[in-house]
Amino acid sequence: QVQLQESGPGLVKPSQTLSLTCTVSGGSVSSGGYYWSWIRQRPGTGLEWMGYISHNGGTTYNPSLKSRLSISLDTSENQLSLKLGSVTVADTAVYYCVRTVSVFGVAGYYFDYWGQGTLVPVSS
Amino acid sequence: QSVLTQPPSVSGAPGQRVTISCTGSSSNIGAGYDVNWYQKLPGKAPKVIIFGNINRPSGVPDRFSGSQSGTSASLAITGLQAEDEAEYYCQSHDSRLRAYVFGDGTKVTVL
Repeated sequence: QVQLQESGPGLVKPSQTLSLTCTVSGGSVSSGGYYWSWIRQRPGTGLEWMGYISHNGGTTYNPSLKSRLSISLDTSENQLSLKLGSVTVADTAVYYCVRTVSVFGVAGYYFDYWGQGTLVPVSS
Repeated sequence: QSVLTQPPSVSGAPGQRVTISCTGSSSNIGAGYDVNWYQKLPGKAPKVIIFGNINRPSGVPDRFSGSQSGTSASLAITGLQAEDEAEYYCQSHDSRLRAYVFGDGTKVTVL
């Protein structure tokens, strides 16, 4: 059973960089066939896909966040990381790390294993 | 406002059937991108209940079913149970936005 666990600071100040780490157990981030996504949910709103990274380190970002977002892998620790720069209060959200998989090819990626999520408030 | 439109809420009595619509466009559902559905309980992470428009992951009751036609998709819950009370989100890919997108969610209330 794949398990994902997010960790990071309890609070980030506006204009700073939000950094989160996701530790994966029960599976390897180096395994082919999967992507590893970050998804967030801001208060009172729906879910927003932020971006993902492949097992070999290739990244794809949501264009709405691309200029501020970086996702990376640490295969030695079986972790993925997120860095979101120049944050504002609008970046206050629950952040999830999520395994991304497709059974039916490029048209069919979905999110099968989710971390429990971590709330990151952005406040001065 | 998401590019995938869902009703804000639906409700039904125990045992009844409810459906949740997910309306997209030619750049997402209509372009052939699969629709997936997630159940989210308060304080919990979302859980996939339908993938590839119609497929249920192992362990998901067959009370949940998905369908897709044209630029829309639907999730049906038959034999509604109290434990089905949750928020439900549809998800697909949008070629114009070049991103995976979610609907705004539908709150299912069991009366």
